[in-house]
Amino acid sequence: DVKVTQSSRYLVKRTGEKVFLECVQDMDHENMFWYRQDPGLGLRLIYFSYDVKMKEKGDIPEGYSVSREKKERFSLILESASTNQTSMYLCASSFGGPLAGVGDTQYFGPGTRLTVL
Amino acid sequence: AQSVTQLDSQVPVFEEAPVELRCNYSSSVSVYLFWYVQYPNQGLQLLLKYLSGSTLVKGINGFEAEFNKSQTSFHLRKPSVHISDTAEYFCAVTPYSSASKIIFGSGTRLSIRP
Repeated sequence: DVKVTQSSRYLVKRTGEKVFLECVQDMDHENMFWYRQDPGLGLRLIYFSYDVKMKEKGDIPEGYSVSREKKERFSLILESASTNQTSMYLCASSFGGPLAGVGDTQYFGPGTRLTVL
Repeated sequence: AQSVTQLDSQVPVFEEAPVELRCNYSSSVSVYLFWYVQYPNQGLQLLLKYLSGSTLVKGINGFEAEFNKSQTSFHLRKPSVHISDTAEYFCAVTPYSSASKIIFGSGTRLSIRP
């Protein structure tokens, strides 16, 4: 069974703090994704990575950065948290690369609910 | 660019009744189509997907969906729902060109009444 774990289920931070969200997958997947989920908006892609140190911006990258130093780990960084970044953050992984893996199933972590005060 | 429309934000049904959750998409290129389910306090998991071949796709937990290219739809159906089907359901599309271009719909919350 594929397992995707996220470092925290719930996180409360203050405006201006630097926030790290960690995601680890145990199936040697090439692709990893960070989404934010907001009511009525579904999931929106923040960043995508298809290999170590390789990344692509998604639909809403502003205010976020990512790091992928090891294949199994993909980190989302909020350089200076703001209240409009209060949301549910979901990490996912899939087997193939950006082209080969287009039809692959994504496996999701349980999510981190981030509140920025 | 692609877009996905889930017309119903909430669908209440009685237990053992049939249900259809609607999904329409817009795309200038060919796409793959997915339905994911999110149970309360969990991440998403795949219900089913259409890549090619038969337009009727069967998934887990008795769900099925039919790809209709002319109507650009991919509606999800189940003939008889159970309380355990209470969840939020997301339709998604990915163009053939890149896994990073996946677009999710806004979700449909299915609530089952006993």
